[in-house]
Amino acid sequence: QSALTQLPSASGSPGQSVTISCTGTSSDVGGYNYVSWYQQHPGKAPKVMIYEVSKRPSGVPDRFSGYKSGNTASLTVSGLQAEDEADYYCSSYAGSNIVVFGGGTKLTVL
Amino acid sequence: EVQLVESGGGVVRPGGSLRLSCAASGFTFDDYAMSWVRQAPGKGLEWVSGINWNGGTTAYADSVKGRFIISRDNAKNSLYLQMSSLRGEDTAFYHCARRSAWHLDYWGQGTLVIVSS
Repeated sequence: QSALTQLPSASGSPGQSVTISCTGTSSDVGGYNYVSWYQQHPGKAPKVMIYEVSKRPSGVPDRFSGYKSGNTASLTVSGLQAEDEADYYCSSYAGSNIVVFGGGTKLTVL
Repeated sequence: EVQLVESGGGVVRPGGSLRLSCAASGFTFDDYAMSWVRQAPGKGLEWVSGINWNGGTTAYADSVKGRFIISRDNAKNSLYLQMSSLRGEDTAFYHCARRSAWHLDYWGQGTLVIVSS
């Protein structure tokens, strides 16, 4: 049960695109199409933005997209807006009813 | 409206025990698996435990296995986490969350557990 690997920070200017990556292993990210991404603003509960690698829940803007290649998943935020500034966490099913999270990436909108 | 409200947090001494509860409303509770996720102050999310719809299948993070027990009472629309042999590193906000397939689609605001002497 090792945490997924995320870079601690990312940034972009309004209107730009930013991609956040999440690296795991063949036992989690690479082994299942059950990668999800969560957005967390300070003092708030996490909110799911992407599930099952690339699906968006109702109400999540299509500026948010997800992708996976091998053991690495990615979240791309296009057309950055000020309200996108938050912490982002990836998560994956890891077999045996276990879930693992990434360490989180703080996205700053410059 | 889906609501998840945690309670039971507080200050406990190392080695002590605490039972967290999560009251669910706004959905058919026994249609869903549930999870506990914790977040130490200023740190990232850590999945703690999960339970299927009827309590027949449970799973734990290695960090809590043997010390924490997850359970649910579908008649009371409630989820629980019995925590024992608590350590300083268990200090965190504990969130309950509804699980849909393998993502967590609704989260509670969390209850704070502080393990300190």
